[in-house]
Amino acid sequence: EPEVTQTPSHQVTQMGQEVILRCVPISNHLYFYWYRQILGQKVEFLVSFYNNEISEKSEIFDDQFSVERPDGSNFTLKIRSTKLEDSAMYFCASSELGVREDEQFFGPGTRLTVL
Amino acid sequence: GESVGLHLPTLSVQEGDNSIINCAYSNSASDYFIWYKQESGKGPQFIIDIRSNMDKRQGQRVTVLLNKTVKHLSLQIAATQPGDSAVYFCAEIASNTDKLIFGTGTRLQVFP
Repeated sequence: EPEVTQTPSHQVTQMGQEVILRCVPISNHLYFYWYRQILGQKVEFLVSFYNNEISEKSEIFDDQFSVERPDGSNFTLKIRSTKLEDSAMYFCASSELGVREDEQFFGPGTRLTVL
Repeated sequence: GESVGLHLPTLSVQEGDNSIINCAYSNSASDYFIWYKQESGKGPQFIIDIRSNMDKRQGQRVTVLLNKTVKHLSLQIAATQPGDSAVYFCAEIASNTDKLIFGTGTRLQVFP
């Protein structure tokens, strides 16, 4: 069964460093998403991406964040200068159609720890 | 502000019993709702959805009820099994956006 994959599973970085979280969505999917979940808290929407551009973003997704689909398979989230409060699980998701038409499939997440 | 919240942070049920997980939402503009299950170390998994033009939808062993009058959503799990143990989130989408807004989650514990 196709699944969304994410790498690395755990990323440890120093405050101020740049990190890139990688995702491989399901191959025929066209809509891509990033969410984050601070430990013990709810899942928070970050950004949605379709047709090579951001469709929607939350207030969390400030200038420190960017997304890219550099090739036909990867979807990345970059945090330019990490802060302690960026420590969280980051989930990638994808869907074939839009959020109201199709189920989003979530990856297993990348745990980001900022020291 | 707009928010989605849950009444019960932890629910413990005996195997075989029915479970009911509740969710309150505050955005009257929300027109689509989803329940997710999240097992330890995994991402959220879609369970069932419901649109605002419905008040009930059934799946396999699960039923979602929507009461727009009081902005309340519930997930009923019939004959709860140990494999149902997880954190359950409701999520809403407002009519003018495609952003999923998640609730705070309820942990379901199933004991023999």
